Amino acid sequence: RKEVEQDPGPFNVPEGATVAFNCTYSNSASQSFFWYRQDCRKEPKLLMSVYSSGNEDGRFTAQLNRASQYISLLIRDSKLSDSATYLCVVNMADSWGKLQFGAGTQVVVTP
Amino acid sequence: DGGITQSPKYLFRKEGQNVTLSCEQNLNHDAMYWYRQDPGQGLRLIYYSQIVNDFQKGDIAEGYSVSREKKESFPLTVTSAQKNPTAFYLCASSIPGRVDYGYTFGSGTRLTVV
Repeated sequence: RKEVEQDPGPFNVPEGATVAFNCTYSNSASQSFFWYRQDCRKEPKLLMSVYSSGNEDGRFTAQLNRASQYISLLIRDSKLSDSATYLCVVNMADSWGKLQFGAGTQVVVTP
Repeated sequence: DGGITQSPKYLFRKEGQNVTLSCEQNLNHDAMYWYRQDPGQGLRLIYYSQIVNDFQKGDIAEGYSVSREKKESFPLTVTSAQKNPTAFYLCASSIPGRVDYGYTFGSGTRLTVV
């Protein structure tokens, strides 16, 4: 079983719509969770950290469910520029917090 | 501005050649990492280093070597023993032990075997 699992998609979303997707993780001791965005042929960039209470950053909302070991990302009012691959990232709970990356969920926003 | 610089952006390797990918950071981060990404795939950890003169193998270290002689620099050598080196290589850095802190990535090197 992979340590971080994501639905690869693609999620095809009309512009202005809402899209949400999850990721599951296997290590119950993980303490830090992130969503990264990766554009085609570019490096991943930190989108947002995910906190236990859930958090929002503009049109993006992240949630953490420790009991079921999943995190989610919701994008409201999708823009064409939101088209990207979204990587779920979880720390490995080792002594120095190495991160484990999911393979990504592709989102395609269409006009 | 602080950041990570990878060079070159594109690299072509002939069969049997060793090539070295450069990674330099001025973020004063102790930890540095090398990842490989294949088309449509996730990131796979090659090597990582927490301090100068120390580094550890990741999940796919075979055919690769690294050095960490300076805090700022973590070059990756792709040796001729790596049978399928064509991939996108990403270098990252972080503050070890800061579980609330993600990684900062360089812009990557795209290696192609010709």
